[in-house]
Amino acid sequence: DVKVTQSSRYLVKRTGEKVFLECVQDMDHENMFWYRQDPGLGLRLIYFSYDVKMKEKGDIPEGYSVSREKKERFSLILESASTNQTSMYLCASSHRTGPWGQPQHFGDGTRLSIL
Amino acid sequence: AQSVSQHNHHVILSEAASLELGCNYSYGGTVNLFWYVQYPGQHLQLLLKYFSGDPLVKGIKGFEAEFIKSKFSFNLRKPSVQWSDTAEYFCAVTSGGSYIPTFGRGTSLIVHP
Repeated sequence: DVKVTQSSRYLVKRTGEKVFLECVQDMDHENMFWYRQDPGLGLRLIYFSYDVKMKEKGDIPEGYSVSREKKERFSLILESASTNQTSMYLCASSHRTGPWGQPQHFGDGTRLSIL
Repeated sequence: AQSVSQHNHHVILSEAASLELGCNYSYGGTVNLFWYVQYPGQHLQLLLKYFSGDPLVKGIKGFEAEFIKSKFSFNLRKPSVQWSDTAEYFCAVTSGGSYIPTFGRGTSLIVHP
């Protein structure tokens, strides 16, 4: 069974801090994603990676960066945390097969509070 | 760009009632369609998917969905809901050669025992 593991379930940080959210998947998936989930807004894509060192901006990349140095690990970085980045962050992965890929597998999420 | 609409934002039902959640997408070409469910405190998981073939697909826990190409719809149905179906439901679509799904905003379902 696919396992997507996010490093923290809950995280509290202060404004201006640099915050790292880590995600590891164990199924050799090519694609990895970072989303934020806010009530009434659904899932909004922050960044997407389709291979090691490759990344694409999603719908809301401002204030975030990502790193993918190994295939199994995808990190989300908040360069200087602000209160409007308080949210639930979800990591997902999927295989890059077929014309439009396969279903995504999600981690448990990290609920991040910026004070 | 693809867009996905879930018209029901909040649905409240009693146990044994029938359920239908709407999902409409905008892109008219070939699509892959998904429904995901997020139970309280749990991660999002796949409920069912449509890639091709029979437009009526069956998923886990008695859920099914029907792909109607002419209506750009992929509605989720269950004939008799249970309290344990209380969750948030998301419709998602991939299309146009992209591996990045477009999600609807989700429908919160509450089932009263």
